Amino acid sequence: AAGVIQSPRHLIKEKRETATLKCYPIPRHDTVYWYQQGPGQDPQFLISFYEKMQSDKGSIPDRFSAQQFSDYHSELNMSSLELGDSALYFCASSLGDAGTSGVDEQFFGPGTRLTVL
Amino acid sequence: AQSVSQHNHHVILSEAASLELGCNYSYGGTVNLFWYVQYPGQHLQLLLKYFSGDPLVKGIKGFEAEFIKSKFSFNLRKPSVQWSDTAEYFCAVSAGSSNTGKLIFGQGTTLQVKP
Repeated sequence: AAGVIQSPRHLIKEKRETATLKCYPIPRHDTVYWYQQGPGQDPQFLISFYEKMQSDKGSIPDRFSAQQFSDYHSELNMSSLELGDSALYFCASSLGDAGTSGVDEQFFGPGTRLTVL
Repeated sequence: AQSVSQHNHHVILSEAASLELGCNYSYGGTVNLFWYVQYPGQHLQLLLKYFSGDPLVKGIKGFEAEFIKSKFSFNLRKPSVQWSDTAEYFCAVSAGSSNTGKLIFGQGTTLQVKP
């Protein structure tokens, strides 16, 4: 079965550079969530989208932005990278709007490991 | 604000031992509860979930969890662990009056099973 695809899987950047992470949800899934997992920490919710609109926002720095495109894939753009941004970034997808049709299971991608030097 | 607390940060068991991982959450309204497992170097996989109905939930690989509303708990159990259960286990909650499905995770429990 198709799973959530994230690219790249690994990314190394210098401080103050920018990075773009991509997420391709499971076919027909219209909801995407982004999470950040620091070393030895639990995943922290960043932002989510439903039908190309932002549906929720968590502890996402102002230096980060994200969007969901017409084909439902999502991109997380990170600027002015800091050492503390080094983490595993997970994308998850689900079907339907939790607020109207009820919460559904989220399927996680393999993550993008970002290292900022 | 919602929060999730996992009592055990690191658990070491021998094969065939029984497992119980504690999870408590803080939210007074309706919640949806999940346990995810993360094997070394892999992504999060759903073990089981509770939305409503029977508070005893059975998941994959012989895992089960019991939702006790009065205790705000959702503990994970397995009667007999295997070496292949070595992984990180996360309890997660989604809740709120305008539930968008975002997950709040606990700190995680590292389970090490000795052969």
